[in-house]
Amino acid sequence: AQSVAQPEDQVNVAEGNPLTVKCTYSVSGNPYLFWYVQYPNRGLQFLLKYITGDNLVKGSYGFEAEFNKSQTSFHLKKPSALVSDSALYFCAVRDNSGAGSYQLTFGKGTKLSVIP
Amino acid sequence: DGGITQSPKYLFRKEGQNVTLSCEQNLNHDAMYWYRQDPGQGLRLIYYSQIVNDFQKGDIAEGYSVSREKKESFPLTVTSAQKNPTAFYLCASSIHSGVPNEQFFGPGTRLTVL
Repeated sequence: AQSVAQPEDQVNVAEGNPLTVKCTYSVSGNPYLFWYVQYPNRGLQFLLKYITGDNLVKGSYGFEAEFNKSQTSFHLKKPSALVSDSALYFCAVRDNSGAGSYQLTFGKGTKLSVIP
Repeated sequence: DGGITQSPKYLFRKEGQNVTLSCEQNLNHDAMYWYRQDPGQGLRLIYYSQIVNDFQKGDIAEGYSVSREKKESFPLTVTSAQKNPTAFYLCASSIHSGVPNEQFFGPGTRLTVL
């Protein structure tokens, strides 16, 4: 079974400060990891993904995420937060261990509020 | 929201009625998915389809049905057997479910049971 945990329901950060949104995962094989963002009453937008290779992944809108296999984490980061980054962020995982494991499992989401 | 459209944006249903939510994509994607989103629970997979005329149940398929007669279309029917249908429903697609490509999401349909 695969699972994702986003330990913080809400993260508040001041505009211009660095932000981190945490994600830990559990899979039986190796993980494929994704971050998505959702604005109110909208669908999800893809930010970035880790498949293999470099542990630091760069994505859209200045976001990046670091894959840490020993800690089974994939935290989302941005050096300088913008008010427009305020949204709901979802981490998702897929196990690459074999046939039938095509499903993405999503975390419960973290609400990011960037304070002017 | 890419090339995926969902309609209607808001839908109201009386108890005991079936309703069908539309999802169309023009991305030429093979795989399509239906998720349900409830506050504080993330997204849960209802059904997914990897190719035309084939689909599989996800984690919460009870009370729902789907069809995949065309590559572009993956409608979801919420039946009267679904005990708690009020939710935000999201449709997604990807190039192929066998490779780790990202999913593209539609704008969603908010269903309310009166």
